[in-house]
Amino acid sequence: NAGVTQTPKFQVLKTGQSMTLQCAQDMNHNSMYWYRQDPGMGLRLIYYSASEGTTDKGEVPNGYNVSRLNKREFSLRLESAAPSQTSVYFCASSARQGGSYEQYFGPGTRLTVT
Amino acid sequence: SQQGEEDPQALSIQEGENATMNCSYKTSINNLQWYRQNSGRGLVHLILIRSNEREKHSGRLRVTLDTSKKSSSLLITASRAADTASYFCATQGSGGSNYKLTFGKGTLLTVNP
Repeated sequence: NAGVTQTPKFQVLKTGQSMTLQCAQDMNHNSMYWYRQDPGMGLRLIYYSASEGTTDKGEVPNGYNVSRLNKREFSLRLESAAPSQTSVYFCASSARQGGSYEQYFGPGTRLTVT
Repeated sequence: SQQGEEDPQALSIQEGENATMNCSYKTSINNLQWYRQNSGRGLVHLILIRSNEREKHSGRLRVTLDTSKKSSSLLITASRAADTASYFCATQGSGGSNYKLTFGKGTLLTVNP
Protein backbone atom coordinates (compact mmCIF):
# COMPACT_ATOMS: atom_id res chain seq x y z
CA ASN A 1 0.00 0.00 0.00
CA ALA A 2 1.24 3.49 -0.88
CA GLY A 3 -0.73 5.12 1.95
CA VAL A 4 -1.35 8.81 1.22
CA THR A 5 0.24 10.26 -1.90
CA GLN A 6 0.47 13.90 -2.93
CA THR A 7 1.40 15.58 -6.18
CA PRO A 8 3.32 17.65 -6.95
CA LYS A 9 6.13 17.61 -4.36
CA PHE A 10 7.28 21.13 -5.20
CA GLN A 11 5.64 24.02 -7.03
CA VAL A 12 6.49 27.64 -7.73
CA LEU A 13 3.67 29.94 -8.78
CA LYS A 14 3.44 33.59 -9.66
CA THR A 15 0.88 35.74 -7.88
CA GLY A 16 -2.51 35.29 -9.49
CA GLN A 17 -1.84 31.88 -11.02
CA SER A 18 -4.02 28.91 -10.15
CA MET A 19 -3.21 25.33 -9.41
CA THR A 20 -4.62 22.14 -7.94
CA LEU A 21 -2.88 19.96 -5.38
CA GLN A 22 -3.78 16.32 -5.69
CA CYS A 23 -4.12 13.81 -2.87
CA ALA A 24 -5.05 10.13 -2.95
CA GLN A 25 -5.22 7.41 -0.33
CA ASP A 26 -5.48 3.66 -0.76
CA MET A 27 -6.50 2.73 2.80
CA ASN A 28 -10.27 2.93 2.21
CA HIS A 29 -10.53 5.78 4.72
CA ASN A 30 -13.73 7.80 4.88
CA SER A 31 -12.24 11.08 6.10
CA MET A 32 -9.65 13.27 4.41
CA TYR A 33 -8.02 16.57 5.33
CA TRP A 34 -5.89 19.40 3.96
CA TYR A 35 -3.50 21.28 6.26
CA ARG A 36 -0.94 23.97 5.79
CA GLN A 37 2.22 24.21 7.87
CA ASP A 38 4.07 27.45 8.35
CA PRO A 39 7.19 27.98 10.48
CA GLY A 40 6.29 28.28 14.14
CA MET A 41 2.58 27.81 13.45
CA GLY A 42 2.10 24.07 13.62
CA LEU A 43 -0.54 22.57 11.32
CA ARG A 44 -3.68 24.49 10.50
CA LEU A 45 -6.70 22.80 8.98
CA ILE A 46 -7.83 24.28 5.66
CA TYR A 47 -10.70 21.96 4.67
CA TYR A 48 -11.79 18.48 5.50
CA SER A 49 -14.14 15.85 4.13
CA ALA A 50 -15.76 13.63 6.74
CA SER A 51 -17.00 11.25 4.07
CA GLU A 52 -17.38 11.01 0.32
CA GLY A 53 -19.70 13.74 -0.92
CA THR A 54 -19.17 16.13 2.00
CA THR A 55 -16.66 18.91 2.59
CA ASP A 56 -16.36 21.44 5.40
CA LYS A 57 -14.25 24.47 6.16
CA GLY A 58 -11.47 24.28 8.67
CA GLU A 59 -9.58 27.01 10.44
CA VAL A 60 -8.08 28.81 7.41
CA PRO A 61 -10.26 28.17 4.30
CA ASN A 62 -10.04 31.59 2.62
CA GLY A 63 -8.43 31.46 -0.82
CA TYR A 64 -8.91 27.71 -1.22
CA ASN A 65 -11.49 25.31 -2.63
CA VAL A 66 -11.65 21.55 -2.39
CA SER A 67 -13.21 18.65 -4.25
CA ARG A 68 -13.80 15.17 -2.88
CA LEU A 69 -13.68 13.45 -6.23
CA ASN A 70 -14.38 9.98 -4.85
CA LYS A 71 -13.53 8.05 -1.72
CA ARG A 72 -9.83 7.92 -2.65
CA GLU A 73 -9.14 11.44 -3.88
CA PHE A 74 -9.34 14.87 -2.29
CA SER A 75 -7.96 17.87 -4.18
CA LEU A 76 -7.14 21.39 -3.04
CA ARG A 77 -7.38 24.30 -5.46
CA LEU A 78 -5.84 27.74 -5.28
CA GLU A 79 -7.81 29.92 -7.70
CA SER A 80 -5.58 33.01 -7.52
CA ALA A 81 -2.38 32.36 -5.61
CA ALA A 82 -1.02 34.96 -3.20
CA PRO A 83 2.39 35.17 -1.49
CA SER A 84 0.63 34.50 1.84
CA GLN A 85 -0.17 31.02 0.54
CA THR A 86 3.51 30.10 0.42
CA SER A 87 3.58 27.11 2.70
CA VAL A 88 3.91 23.35 2.98
CA TYR A 89 0.63 21.59 2.34
CA PHE A 90 -0.20 18.22 3.83
CA CYS A 91 -3.03 15.89 3.00
CA ALA A 92 -4.16 13.31 5.55
CA SER A 93 -6.77 10.61 5.84
CA SER A 94 -8.34 8.76 8.72
CA ALA A 95 -10.81 6.07 9.61
CA ARG A 96 -12.89 5.75 12.75
CA GLN A 97 -11.49 3.27 15.23
CA GLY A 98 -13.65 2.98 18.33
CA GLY A 99 -14.54 6.66 18.24
CA SER A 100 -11.00 7.85 17.59
CA TYR A 101 -9.51 9.19 14.38
CA GLU A 102 -5.80 8.53 13.91
CA GLN A 103 -4.55 10.41 10.88
CA TYR A 104 -2.15 9.26 8.18
CA PHE A 105 -0.21 11.95 6.36
CA GLY A 106 1.19 12.36 2.90
CA PRO A 107 4.74 13.64 2.27
CA GLY A 108 3.66 17.22 1.59
CA THR A 109 3.75 19.76 -1.23
CA ARG A 110 6.10 22.72 -0.90
CA LEU A 111 4.49 25.70 -2.58
CA THR A 112 6.19 29.04 -3.17
CA VAL A 113 4.21 31.98 -4.52
CA THR A 114 6.30 34.87 -5.84
CA SER B 1 -7.25 28.93 17.56
CA GLN B 2 -4.74 26.28 18.53
CA GLN B 3 -6.01 23.76 21.04
CA GLY B 4 -2.76 22.10 22.05
CA GLU B 5 0.35 23.97 23.11
CA GLU B 6 3.62 22.12 23.51
CA ASP B 7 6.34 22.99 25.94
CA PRO B 8 9.23 23.47 25.51
CA GLN B 9 9.42 24.78 21.95
CA ALA B 10 12.88 23.25 21.57
CA LEU B 11 14.82 20.65 23.53
CA SER B 12 18.40 19.51 23.05
CA ILE B 13 19.74 16.43 24.85
CA GLN B 14 22.49 13.86 24.63
CA GLU B 15 21.97 10.37 23.28
CA GLY B 16 20.85 8.02 26.04
CA GLU B 17 19.10 10.70 28.07
CA ASN B 18 15.33 10.90 28.50
CA ALA B 19 13.28 13.59 26.77
CA THR B 20 10.04 14.96 28.19
CA MET B 21 7.62 17.14 26.26
CA ASN B 22 4.42 18.63 27.59
CA CYS B 23 1.15 19.59 25.99
CA SER B 24 -1.68 21.69 27.37
CA TYR B 25 -5.14 22.07 25.87
CA LYS B 26 -8.24 24.10 26.57
CA THR B 27 -11.48 22.18 26.04
CA SER B 28 -12.80 18.70 26.75
CA ILE B 29 -11.38 15.96 24.58
CA ASN B 30 -12.15 12.47 23.35
CA ASN B 31 -8.48 11.63 23.04
CA LEU B 32 -5.04 13.15 22.68
CA GLN B 33 -2.51 11.96 20.13
CA TRP B 34 1.21 12.50 19.62
CA TYR B 35 2.82 12.71 16.21
CA ARG B 36 6.44 12.90 15.04
CA GLN B 37 7.68 14.82 12.03
CA ASN B 38 11.14 14.29 10.65
CA SER B 39 12.61 17.21 8.75
CA GLY B 40 10.98 17.59 5.35
CA ARG B 41 8.51 14.76 5.90
CA GLY B 42 4.87 14.25 6.78
CA LEU B 43 3.65 13.54 10.30
CA VAL B 44 3.65 10.02 11.68
CA HIS B 45 1.28 8.89 14.41
CA LEU B 46 3.05 7.70 17.57
CA ILE B 47 0.49 7.04 20.25
CA LEU B 48 -3.10 7.82 21.27
CA ILE B 49 -4.45 8.14 24.79
CA ARG B 50 -8.17 8.31 25.47
CA SER B 51 -9.74 10.70 27.95
CA ASN B 52 -10.46 7.87 30.41
CA GLU B 53 -6.84 6.69 30.41
CA ARG B 54 -4.09 8.13 32.58
CA GLU B 55 -0.98 6.50 31.19
CA LYS B 56 0.01 4.54 28.13
CA HIS B 57 3.24 2.91 26.96
CA SER B 58 4.55 1.99 23.54
CA GLY B 59 8.14 0.81 23.33
CA ARG B 60 10.33 3.69 24.58
CA LEU B 61 7.36 6.07 24.67
CA ARG B 62 5.33 6.84 27.75
CA VAL B 63 2.35 9.20 27.61
CA THR B 64 0.41 10.55 30.54
CA LEU B 65 -2.85 12.45 30.52
CA ASP B 66 -4.29 14.60 33.30
CA THR B 67 -7.75 15.74 32.24
CA SER B 68 -8.21 17.80 35.42
CA LYS B 69 -5.22 19.92 34.43
CA LYS B 70 -5.89 19.56 30.69
CA SER B 71 -2.33 18.46 30.09
CA SER B 72 -0.33 15.58 28.70
CA SER B 73 3.32 14.62 28.63
CA LEU B 74 5.36 12.50 26.26
CA LEU B 75 8.46 10.80 27.62
CA ILE B 76 11.01 9.24 25.30
CA THR B 77 13.43 7.07 27.23
CA ALA B 78 17.02 6.25 26.24
CA SER B 79 16.89 8.66 23.32
CA ARG B 80 18.74 8.04 20.08
CA ALA B 81 19.99 10.37 17.37
CA ALA B 82 17.21 8.99 15.16
CA ASP B 83 14.65 10.47 17.59
CA THR B 84 15.64 13.95 16.38
CA ALA B 85 12.39 15.38 15.02
CA SER B 86 9.51 17.70 15.82
CA TYR B 87 6.82 16.30 18.08
CA PHE B 88 3.22 17.49 17.98
CA CYS B 89 0.29 16.83 20.24
CA ALA B 90 -3.17 16.80 18.70
CA THR B 91 -6.54 16.71 20.38
CA GLN B 92 -9.81 15.24 19.16
CA GLY B 93 -12.79 16.95 20.70
CA SER B 94 -15.50 15.12 22.58
CA GLY B 95 -19.13 14.82 21.61
CA GLY B 96 -20.80 14.05 18.33
CA SER B 97 -18.95 13.08 15.20
CA ASN B 98 -15.81 15.12 15.63
CA TYR B 99 -13.55 14.06 12.81
CA LYS B 100 -11.02 16.82 13.28
CA LEU B 101 -7.77 17.02 15.18
CA THR B 102 -6.33 20.26 16.44
CA PHE B 103 -2.55 20.38 16.47
CA GLY B 104 -0.15 22.31 18.65
CA LYS B 105 2.89 24.13 17.36
CA GLY B 106 5.31 21.35 18.24
CA THR B 107 8.50 20.71 20.17
CA LEU B 108 11.73 20.40 18.20
CA LEU B 109 13.82 17.67 19.80
CA THR B 110 17.50 17.40 18.96
CA VAL B 111 19.38 14.35 20.20
CA ASN B 112 23.13 14.81 20.00
CA PRO B 113 25.29 11.72 19.45
